[in-house]
Amino acid sequence: EADIYQTPRYLVIGTGKKITLECSQTMGHDKMYWYQQDPGMELHLIHYSYGVNSTEKGDLSSESTVSRIRTEHFPLTLESARPSHTSQYLCASSEFGTDTQYFGPGTRLTVL
Amino acid sequence: SQELEQSPQSLIVQEGKNLTINCTSSKTLYGLYWYKQKYGEGLIFLMMLQKGGEEKSHEKITAKLDEKKQQSSLHITASQPSHAGIYLCGAGPYSGGGADGLTFGKGTHLIIQP
Repeated sequence: EADIYQTPRYLVIGTGKKITLECSQTMGHDKMYWYQQDPGMELHLIHYSYGVNSTEKGDLSSESTVSRIRTEHFPLTLESARPSHTSQYLCASSEFGTDTQYFGPGTRLTVL
Repeated sequence: SQELEQSPQSLIVQEGKNLTINCTSSKTLYGLYWYKQKYGEGLIFLMMLQKGGEEKSHEKITAKLDEKKQQSSLHITASQPSHAGIYLCGAGPYSGGGADGLTFGKGTHLIIQP
């Protein structure tokens, strides 16, 4: 069982607020990912990281930003939340050299 | 970019019956991943297939990879309520999945009727 955690699990927030979604893993994995999933739709990669101080944008353009200061921590920030940001955000990690990704439970974000 | 098409989109099966879910890729598959997602939650890794003809089993779930057809199938034997959820297939980046993440299909929603 994967040891990857996301907080909060659910977040309802007003337009214009700054939010940070937390993701932590205790497996020592180098690679970490953020996916966005709208209800009934497929997952889309929005950010990924190869390791500390590495961040890359994924296939789906996103107004969010990420940072990787510690191996185990990969937070996602929205400077000014909008209703269009309403979605489920899933964090994942994998060992360097493999593509098998382990997912956290997700954060369901609702922006009013 | 690669696309993964899953069929059927949804499936209602009586408890105890067998079922099959398919995943077809628009490009050559170098690695195919099967995940299960409970509604509103994260993905649970089931298994990964790399070689053509490879077959793996986990409890009552068996997955096969047909490299020539660019297709994988997931078969559940004697389905149980615990099998209900969304099954997603994903392809690795070397199949043209883009960036360095996995490309996923839209998923197959499985409902088990008692």
